[in-house]
Amino acid sequence: DAGVIQSPRHEVTEMGQEVTLRCKLISGHNSLFWYRQTMMRGLELLIYFNNNVPIDDSGMPEDRFSAKMPNASFSTLKIQPSEPRDSAVYFCASSLIGTDYGYTFGSGTRLTVV
Amino acid sequence: AQTVTQSQPEMSVQEAETVTLSCTYDTSENNYYLFWYKQPPSRQMILVIRQEAYKQQNATENRFSVNFQKAAKSFSLKISDSQLGDTAMYFCAFMKTNDYKLSFGAGTTVTVRA
Repeated sequence: DAGVIQSPRHEVTEMGQEVTLRCKLISGHNSLFWYRQTMMRGLELLIYFNNNVPIDDSGMPEDRFSAKMPNASFSTLKIQPSEPRDSAVYFCASSLIGTDYGYTFGSGTRLTVV
Repeated sequence: AQTVTQSQPEMSVQEAETVTLSCTYDTSENNYYLFWYKQPPSRQMILVIRQEAYKQQNATENRFSVNFQKAAKSFSLKISDSQLGDTAMYFCAFMKTNDYKLSFGAGTTVTVRA
């Protein structure tokens, strides 16, 4: 298995632009988590899905952020419009809830908004 | 919300020596899971070890072991025979059973000296 695959690995964009981060889950996993890592706030859960359905989006900072899971293996996190304070490393992780309580993380996307 | 506290921002250890990282957490739950994740400079989040709260026996994975003290709400990680490849940031994390969301501590940076 190739693991959780995130793209792009790095993204530099100008303030006001739309940014889309992508994540491919491990085959057979039923849950997907988006986390954000910053020096100031550490690792924060943004949203998680179970069986393609958003279960908890209380960590999404504001309406500029949206996440979708159009099928069982793929998710996107979109920021529109982006702001410099959105600069962070964004991780997705997948898990097989009900069987295993561990996450497998992707390698993250480092987003820089200038 | 669960609080996870790692009181040691940085630790340094000589190669082949032992280092212990501390973690405390605050919860009113009786059933939960605890984890240690490693984040090397590559930024990949790697699961090191996991402990179920209902198990009294401390988890061990090769050179990594934990000291789980449920009453004290303490979950320390011991790295034995430290290797240069152990240099990383280590995160303690908490998950309530049937909640599936990981709450992370602020992390401890471990540097192994040759």
